[in-house]
This record gives sequence, C-alpha cells and structure tokens, in this order.
Amino acid sequence: GENVEQHPSTLSVQEGDSAVIKCTYSDSASNYFPWYKQELGKGPQLIIDIRSNVGEKKDQRIAVTLNKTAKHFSLHITETQPEDSAVYFCAASIDYKLSFGAGTTVTVRA
Amino acid sequence: DSGVTQTPKHLITATGQRVTLRCSPRSGDLSVYWYQQSLDQGLQFLIQYYNGEERAKGNILERFSAQQFPDLHSELNLSSLELGDSALYFCASSVAPGGNQPQHFGDGTRLSIL
Repeated sequence: GENVEQHPSTLSVQEGDSAVIKCTYSDSASNYFPWYKQELGKGPQLIIDIRSNVGEKKDQRIAVTLNKTAKHFSLHITETQPEDSAVYFCAASIDYKLSFGAGTTVTVRA
Repeated sequence: DSGVTQTPKHLITATGQRVTLRCSPRSGDLSVYWYQQSLDQGLQFLIQYYNGEERAKGNILERFSAQQFPDLHSELNLSSLELGDSALYFCASSVAPGGNQPQHFGDGTRLSIL
C-alpha cells in the first residue's frame, strides 16, 4: 500500500514568518494529494489539494508544490497568523484510498 | 462547517459491547468514507461506500462493519469492543467515488472503551 512520510512533526514559527511542511510518498501511481488542517476537537478540514498533472497550486497564503519525479510534495504557508496554529496532515490517494502522513503540529508565536 | 454530520459526538461503553456510529454526508455527496484516528496509528482508512455499495476496504477489522442506506446516510457498527478500539472515528463524504475526489470530514465520534 501507499506509505506517506511527513516532516517535521512539530513546527514553531514567529507570526508573519513562513511555514513549510514536506511529505514523501512511495507509490508512483498516486495521483491526488490533499492537505488537511485539524483544530482541537474538530475533524480534518481540506485546505488545498493538487493533482498529479499540476506542479504548483496557490490559494491566498497557502501554496502546494508537487515533484512527481522525486515523489514529494510540500505545503507552504506565508505570513503566518495565530489562527494558522493547528495540526496539518498531508495525504496521497491511490485506488479510492487516502493514506495520511503522521501530521505536523504548527504553533504560530505572537 | 463541512456539512457532514456525525452522531453521537461522544460514546463511552465497556469491553465486549457493540455500538453504532452514524454519518450523514454533505448534500449532493454520494460517497461516504470511514476513518479511525488514534495516537499510535494516526488517521487510517477503514471503508468506503458509494451510492449504497461498498467500493474500497482498508484496515477494517472483521468485528467492524458498515453500510450505506438508500437515503445515503451511513452507519459504522463496532462489536466485541476492546480497549484498543478507543479512538476518534471520522466520516467523510465526496461527490463521486474516485480516489482523487475531495473528501470533506465531519467532526467525528470519540469512542472510549472502559
């Protein structure tokens, strides 16, 4: 099955700085890569996704890049704000199944 | 608010018991997914239904079963519960069944086994 590794496991940034989370996947057949944000007591919330035929996608302060050759993808958050503090999960999809990374706890310091 | 509704929010029961978790997908979504989230295993895919039919199976134990009804709501049944079944159980839904469809999650049911 698909194996997704996510780094770092924790990330502390100063408000206004950028945050970068990196993920690698094992199965080259994976073709869809969503990112989720999970706040305490809530379910994962889809924040951005990218398909295998696209190299980069941006939505306001959030961007995702995909390198199919290297089998890795990254989430970039610019101008971080306190409300960006949460756990972020990457995922890769193959055969109807989403495989998730272990998560990154992001803390934005005021 | 994702539009996916899960009930109950919390469930406390004992080992050996059976429970049923319920999920109503977003309006217009035909596919439902169940996930288990625990501290040691992370988010694990359990099973997927599309328009009432099972489409994909993940790491779902034989003691667990699910179904999707004609009105598209889904239930996850957990039986012969063990302490290790304590976890958050999430339901997600998408418009179509493909693995590249955006999935939207509910806020989960927290199951505690005493």
